[in-house]
Amino acid sequence: GQQLNQSPQSMFIQEGEDVSMNCTSSSIFNTWLWYKQEPGEGPVLLIALYKAGELTSNGRLTAQFGITRKDSFLNISASIPSDVGIYFCAGRWSSASKIIFGSGTRLSIRP
Amino acid sequence: DTEVTQTPKHLVMGMTNKKSLKCEQHMGHRAMYWYKQKAKKPPELMFVYSYEKLSINESVPSRFSPECPNSSLLNLHLHALQPEDSALYLCASSQERRGQGETQYFGPGTRLLVL
Repeated sequence: GQQLNQSPQSMFIQEGEDVSMNCTSSSIFNTWLWYKQEPGEGPVLLIALYKAGELTSNGRLTAQFGITRKDSFLNISASIPSDVGIYFCAGRWSSASKIIFGSGTRLSIRP
Repeated sequence: DTEVTQTPKHLVMGMTNKKSLKCEQHMGHRAMYWYKQKAKKPPELMFVYSYEKLSINESVPSRFSPECPNSSLLNLHLHALQPEDSALYLCASSQERRGQGETQYFGPGTRLLVL
C-alpha cells in the first residue's frame, strides 16, 4: 500500500544548531504541508508547497517540494527554545481524496 | 485571519452522557473537518464536510454524529462514548478540498476524557 515516512522520529539538539527533517512518499504527492504542534494545542501551519521543486521560507524555516514529487524536507536554522514541539508533514496523493499525516518529528532543544 | 475556534477546550463525560463539540471559522472556507488525535500520534481524519454536505466518513462509529448547520459552523455530537474515545478532537477548515485550497487550518482542539 501507499506509505508516508517521516524522519527522524525525534531530535535532541543544541540551541543554535540547524535542524533538518524529511518526509518520503511511496507515491506522487500534489501538495506538501508542514505543521508544528505544541502540547495540548492544534497543529499550526508553517509552510504549504504546491509545485515540484518549490522552495519556500518562513522566517528561519525553509521547506522544499522534491523534484520527484515523492519527498519534502523542512529545515530550521539557528534553533531556539521555542522551536520545541512536534513537526508533522502532510500531503495528498494524486489519487486520494484526503490529506494524510506523517508520524511526526519530536524536536527537543538543550539550552 | 486564519483562526478556527473550538469549544469547549476541555470536556469530561461519562459513558451515558450526551455532549457536543463546536467549531467555528469565519474565513469563508467551504470545507470543514473533524480529526481525532491520540497522544504522540498524528491526527486521524474522521469526517469531511464540503459545501455543508458530508463528503467523507472514515467509518467512524455512530456514537459520533457530525453536523454542519451552516458554512461557518461544525458540530460533533457525542453519545455513549467509550473510555478509548478519550483524545484530542481537532477541527480544521480549508477553502476547498482540492488544489491549493486544500491547505487546512486547525483549531486548538477539545481535550476529551471519557470516564
